[in-house]
Amino acid sequence: GQQLNQSPQSMFIQEGEDVSMNCTSSSIFNTWLWYKQDPGEGPVLLIALYKAGELTSNGRLTAQFGITRKDSFLNISASIPSDVGIYFCAGPWAGNMLTFGGGTRLMVKP
Amino acid sequence: DTEVTQTPKHLVMGMTNKKSLKCEQHMGHRAMYWYKQKAKKPPELMFVYSYEKLSINESVPSRFSPECPNSSLLNLHLHALQPEDSALYLCASSPSGPPYEQYFGPGTRLTVT
Repeated sequence: GQQLNQSPQSMFIQEGEDVSMNCTSSSIFNTWLWYKQDPGEGPVLLIALYKAGELTSNGRLTAQFGITRKDSFLNISASIPSDVGIYFCAGPWAGNMLTFGGGTRLMVKP
Repeated sequence: DTEVTQTPKHLVMGMTNKKSLKCEQHMGHRAMYWYKQKAKKPPELMFVYSYEKLSINESVPSRFSPECPNSSLLNLHLHALQPEDSALYLCASSPSGPPYEQYFGPGTRLTVT
């Protein structure tokens, strides 16, 4: 499948700080999905983006669909301990198949 | 309701056992998926069912056998597994058309001894 490069791979942040992560591809995507996965649980869909340039929020989370359609960004404002987990970007290709980024592991210092 | 349920939550099985994983969704989705996930890695696609028919088999060994009894249920039958098959097994569902947002279940943690 298509490869999605996610960065950073991991990060420690202080509670209350803002967080940014991104996902890039060599191919154009028509949809970008952002998931969060807690340890031992399945990924939960956080935000879905459908149009280049689109900016969508879900509480303290904001995601953007890059105008080139080859990247997407996720920001978390005022992080809290329950933000810990792995964040995956994903994009559909070949119809209904998803390709995933490698994940960004977020760890919060108490 | 965007819930996908999976049972059991945990499963320990020997290499000679036969067991099954179950998945259910009531969102009216006509596409369902099985993924395998190893620690600190993204989910890896195993099978795709579309309108209850197997449409994708990502070269999965025959010791994994999927079944879709109806549009809401998906099973994964396991037989003669190897220790390296120990992983988190995830089920997901999505609409059969765009935008293909997939909703995941909580997973079954499988340990093969």
